[in-house]
Amino acid sequence: GAGVSQTPSNKVTEKGKYVELRCDPISGHTALYWYRQSLGQGPEFLIYFQGTGAADDSGLPNDRFFAVRPEGSVSTLKIQRTERGDSAVYLCASSLSGNNEQFFGPGTRLTVL
Amino acid sequence: KQEVTQIPAALSVPEGENLVLNCSFTDSAIYNLQWFRQDPGKGLTSLLLIQSSQREQTSGRLNASLDKSSGRSTLYIAASQPGDSATYLCAVRQVDYGQNFVFGPGTRLSVLP
Repeated sequence: GAGVSQTPSNKVTEKGKYVELRCDPISGHTALYWYRQSLGQGPEFLIYFQGTGAADDSGLPNDRFFAVRPEGSVSTLKIQRTERGDSAVYLCASSLSGNNEQFFGPGTRLTVL
Repeated sequence: KQEVTQIPAALSVPEGENLVLNCSFTDSAIYNLQWFRQDPGKGLTSLLLIQSSQREQTSGRLNASLDKSSGRSTLYIAASQPGDSATYLCAVRQVDYGQNFVFGPGTRLSVLP
């Protein structure tokens, strides 16, 4: 596709449930990033993939959060035992390589009730 | 730890004015700095990317400058239009902490017709 796409656009879940958020990067982009944005704040880095491997996962808040990119393209962010504090917009970005311009998707708004 | 601040937090100007948005960062060891705009409920749109070796970048009515040694960047918008109304975010890609981006909180701009 022409840009980064994310699905679903909105996700409402109950506390304690498991959720998966999907990101389709721009074709050919080797670098992929996940961010989390709370209302009124800038995005907060979660994890960065270069190809299939997580080059930097220092932003993941705890072990309930996990992300994969098995074939170096689509990535899935997985959140176990969701908590109300996980409610935010989850943004995905991709770039041609690690130091290039990042292009963002529209985000997934996660609401944990 | 890198910290990014943006001043002002919000700005309201009449149409046609030239304006400057400010971004400051505490650690000058950066690869690059990127300016984004974010419309309400939307993802981020990349505006300008400045590599650490560059002093400025221009695109249309936008000009971004970078003074790495003093930890500052400015985004200059000429002849502002109501369509420029959005939140403007700057982000720095760091050298020492992997490949992640640290974002500022943003400046919310309103251009009044």
